[in-house]
Formats: sequence, structure tokens, C-alpha cells
Amino acid sequence: QKEVEQNSGPLSVPEGAIASLNCTYSDRGSQSFFWYRQYSGKSPELIMFIYSNGDKEDGRFTAQLNKASQYVSLLIRDSQPSDSATYLCAVNKGDQAGTALIFGKGTTLSVSS
Amino acid sequence: SAVISQKPSRDICQRGTSLTIQCQVDSQVTMMFWYRQQPGQSLTLIATANQGSEATYESGFVIDKFPISRPNLTFSTLTVSNMSPEDSSIYLCSADRNTEAFFGQGTRLTVV
Repeated sequence: QKEVEQNSGPLSVPEGAIASLNCTYSDRGSQSFFWYRQYSGKSPELIMFIYSNGDKEDGRFTAQLNKASQYVSLLIRDSQPSDSATYLCAVNKGDQAGTALIFGKGTTLSVSS
Repeated sequence: SAVISQKPSRDICQRGTSLTIQCQVDSQVTMMFWYRQQPGQSLTLIATANQGSEATYESGFVIDKFPISRPNLTFSTLTVSNMSPEDSSIYLCSADRNTEAFFGQGTRLTVV
């Protein structure tokens, strides 16, 4: 059974700080990794995806992947109160085409002003 | 990003009845997916729906309880059958575009 693990939090950071969200996955054969943001009562919104080892940057967000350690992280620079949400790490299920995802339980981020 | 319209957005249903949730994508997609998000929990994949073939269900989900239709490349339905209060959840459909998965707005189902 493939699993995705996240610290549920809450993770609290002051406005302007860097928020670091972490995720580990069990299947060494996993190929695709996604970070979603979910506001309360809303559906998940894709922030970033990463396939290759290393860093991928998009604006204030940086995803980091280390396949040897089976570890994915998301850094949010200059955190804003509007970043307060639950962040979901997801991994492609891998045994079929398309983006069937296995989700972690999510980390709740709270950014205080 | 893909635009996915899902309806109804919410419903309150009597136990023992069934509810069909519809999902419409703004362009053709090969695969669509259905997820469940129980209160306070993360998303769990129910099944994958391909056009022209039977849906593939994940462990713990069966066709009799969650029949799925995929009549064309832009539309899918999920039926929650013979509902019980334990089926109270948010149900979400998802579709791929350029290997990224996008979600509909979700259906918040309450079974009383």
C-alpha cells in the first residue's frame, strides 16, 4: 500500500517568514509529485508539480525533491496571511496512466500578521 | 488550467437513497478521477474513469456502491447508492491536463 506522510501541523509562521512543508512517500518507484493548497470549504488548487531531483521554483514557491530519501518539500518565501491553508502533498499512483493521486493528510499552515 | 464544473455543489439526502454527481470538463480528457474527502481528512481516490471502458475502483470501493459512467471525453457521473450517514463526505472529480490534475468544486453530501 503506497503511502504519503505529512506532519499535520499546525505550522505557524510570522508574515514574511519562510514556511517549510515536508512530505515523505513509501513507493520508491513514484515518479510525479504534486503540492496542492486547500482553503477551508474549497477544492484543492494545484501549486506545483515536480518530477526530477532537485529544486523547482515558481514565484514564492520552491518544490524540492530527493528521490533517494523519498522526500518532497515545499518552501513558501515571504509568507502572507493569505497563504494560511492546508497544503496537500500528492504522489502519482504510478500503476496506470494519468494523474491518479495518493494524498497525504495535509499540513495546516497559519501565517500571522 | 482545466475548467471542471461539478454539480450539485451540496445536497442533503435521506439514508437509503442514491445521489448522482455530475462532472463536466471544458475540453476532452482521457481520464477522469473521483475522490472522497471525509470530514477533516485528506482525499482518497475512489476510482478512475476511462471513456469506453469500465471504471477501475480502488481497494475499499465497489461498483455496486459507487457506479460511475463515462459516456464521452468531457463528462462523467458518480452515483452514491443506498446512502448511509457514513457516506457524508465531499466528493470531488478530477481531470488531467498536461499531466497536471485539476479538481472540480466538489459536492458536499450530508446523509441524514
